[in-house]
Amino acid sequence: ETGVTQTPRHLVMGMTNKKSLKCEQHLGHNAMYWYKQSAKKPLELMFVYNFKEQTENNSVPSRFSPECPNSSHLFLHLHTLQPEDSALYLCASSQGQRKDNEQFFGPGTRLTVL
Amino acid sequence: GNSVTQMEGPVTLSEEAFLTINCTYTATGYPSLFWYVQYPGEGLQLLLKATKADDKGSNKGFEATYRKETTSFHLEKGSVQVSDSAVYFCALSDQYTGNQFYFGTGTSLTVIP
Repeated sequence: ETGVTQTPRHLVMGMTNKKSLKCEQHLGHNAMYWYKQSAKKPLELMFVYNFKEQTENNSVPSRFSPECPNSSHLFLHLHTLQPEDSALYLCASSQGQRKDNEQFFGPGTRLTVL
Repeated sequence: GNSVTQMEGPVTLSEEAFLTINCTYTATGYPSLFWYVQYPGEGLQLLLKATKADDKGSNKGFEATYRKETTSFHLEKGSVQVSDSAVYFCALSDQYTGNQFYFGTGTSLTVIP
């Protein structure tokens, strides 16, 4: 596999469920990101990891819990979500912290919270 | 603070028409600017970028010029194709928050034969 992969591609969960989203990058990058994409809104950066260390947490509710066991894998653990959390969740990676380094995106997980 | 403003969509054009999608930005430093494209059911892909003032990014017939004096990075293509139908996102990153990208809301483009 190449690039950035995400599983599952679609997820439907109830508000009391616990689920996890998985992201894997095969690019040798050292930074990984979670974004939330909702209709008519800019992409919202949720979390940033550099060399497995979390460096950004943009006021994300505690019902979203990230985990980065190594530079290639990133998880987003979900519990007691709300219907307004339904969105496309995108994972991305980049090499380093230079401002001109592009971010590479996965295809996303379409999450529906009932 | 940093922000990106894109023209509202959706945009519908006939094949071979000229495309412009406006993008303006606000940044605290000297940002790099990007255009990403998202095809249906896929993640975002880098289309082009420019890292300093007056740079022109180009790819697949698309162009955008980094205009510091007008804080703009408008996307243009001389002759669009049906396969260009997608959502286009303008984004910036600056040297103070190098890892953090700031995206616009996206502009949906539909090209009809």
